[in-house]
Amino acid sequence: ETGVTQTPRHLVMGMTNKKSLKCEQHLGHNAMYWYKQSAKKPLELMFVYNFKEQTENNSVPSRFSPECPNSSHLFLHLHTLQPEDSALYLCASSQAHGMGIWYNEQFFGPGTRLTVL
Amino acid sequence: ELKVEQNPLFLSMQEGKNYTIYCNYSTTSDRLYWYRQDPGKSLESLFVLLSNGAVKQEGRLMASLDTKARLSTLHITAAVHDLSATYFCAVEIMNYGGSQGNLIFGKGTKLSVKP
Repeated sequence: ETGVTQTPRHLVMGMTNKKSLKCEQHLGHNAMYWYKQSAKKPLELMFVYNFKEQTENNSVPSRFSPECPNSSHLFLHLHTLQPEDSALYLCASSQAHGMGIWYNEQFFGPGTRLTVL
Repeated sequence: ELKVEQNPLFLSMQEGKNYTIYCNYSTTSDRLYWYRQDPGKSLESLFVLLSNGAVKQEGRLMASLDTKARLSTLHITAAVHDLSATYFCAVEIMNYGGSQGNLIFGKGTKLSVKP
């Protein structure tokens, strides 16, 4: 595997279900991100992790719970979602500052298309 | 709050023609990124612009950055069908505390190139 991978690619869930999205990066990066992409809206940053530590929670409802066990893996746990949470969820990674890089070019996974019924 | 505005949001053009997509932003930054997204696919990094006056070219696409005007342009030369996609600009929030800044994305420009 190369780049950033995400599973599953498609997910349909009911409002009472619990599911998890998985992201893995094979780029040796140490910063990872979750974004939400809805129709007619700009990409919305949800969470940021630097060196496994959460450094940003962009006022995301608690029904979304991120987990970053190591610098290569990122999860998004979902529970009691609402229909308006249906969207494409994108994971990205980049090299954090202080590692010889001073800009934030992010590399994206293919996304998980989530539908909440 | 940093705002990023792209225009146009939709662009239909004929093969062989030239056009420019504009990306305006509302606060100081000298780091701007252009991405391409094909339907159902991921965002692919196209250009990284890191200073005032930066210009990058790849094939039929050329991107530039004017930090004083807070404006970046993506110029398409002699468009071909393969360039049909959605193009996003993203501006990095300058963080002088040591860590990388977050990216704020424009809404994207959906480009359709017709024969």
